[in-house]
Amino acid sequence: GAVVSQHPSRVICKSGTSVKIECRSLDFQATTMFWYRQFPKQSLMLMATSNEGSKATYEQGVEKDKFLINHASLTLSTLTVTSAHPEDSSFYICSGTGYSGNTIYFGEGSWLTVV
Amino acid sequence: QKEVEQDPGPLSVPEGAIVSLNCTYSNSAFQYFMWYRQYSRKGPELLMYTYSSGNKEDGRFTAQVDKSSKYISLFIRDSQPSDSATYLCAMSYGNNRLAFGKGNQVVVIP
Repeated sequence: GAVVSQHPSRVICKSGTSVKIECRSLDFQATTMFWYRQFPKQSLMLMATSNEGSKATYEQGVEKDKFLINHASLTLSTLTVTSAHPEDSSFYICSGTGYSGNTIYFGEGSWLTVV
Repeated sequence: QKEVEQDPGPLSVPEGAIVSLNCTYSNSAFQYFMWYRQYSRKGPELLMYTYSSGNKEDGRFTAQVDKSSKYISLFIRDSQPSDSATYLCAMSYGNNRLAFGKGNQVVVIP
């Protein structure tokens, strides 16, 4: 089946710095990618939707200037957490769909810890 | 985001038992209904996908949707220790955006 690769799987950064998470579709062209965040014992919460070559659409309550999303190619989307704070520590997961839009493939997730 | 209710309480069952999980929702705009399995610290894996009321079977898994009651269920027959994981219900509200429940942690005891 399709594979979505996410990197890094774990990252620790200092408060105030920025960190970038990459999401790559390995065997399909991801026309749309989604970024989710999951706090411990909470559900996955959609942060934003990005279509290749377009600006991301953010869900209500998600700061677009803090969570920068780039989807410049059909195989790569990136999420940059800017000026990270300890409360941004979470599990971030990307997913993607291809041209058919029938199946959503999830990445393995990235654990971010801000110290 | 649209709300999906899933009682997150852990569930322990003996091997071979039937596992029964369910979610409720209030928004009629949900179009598709899914169940995902998530192992610790990993991304979710799609188990079942339905869009109409009724039952759908796939091996030991049965997904049930009742749109009139806004209720979905997942049944796992002959549960195995390898089924131990967190099970998430998810619902699509357009353009493949998903609203997830909190997940049920299931432990199948050998």
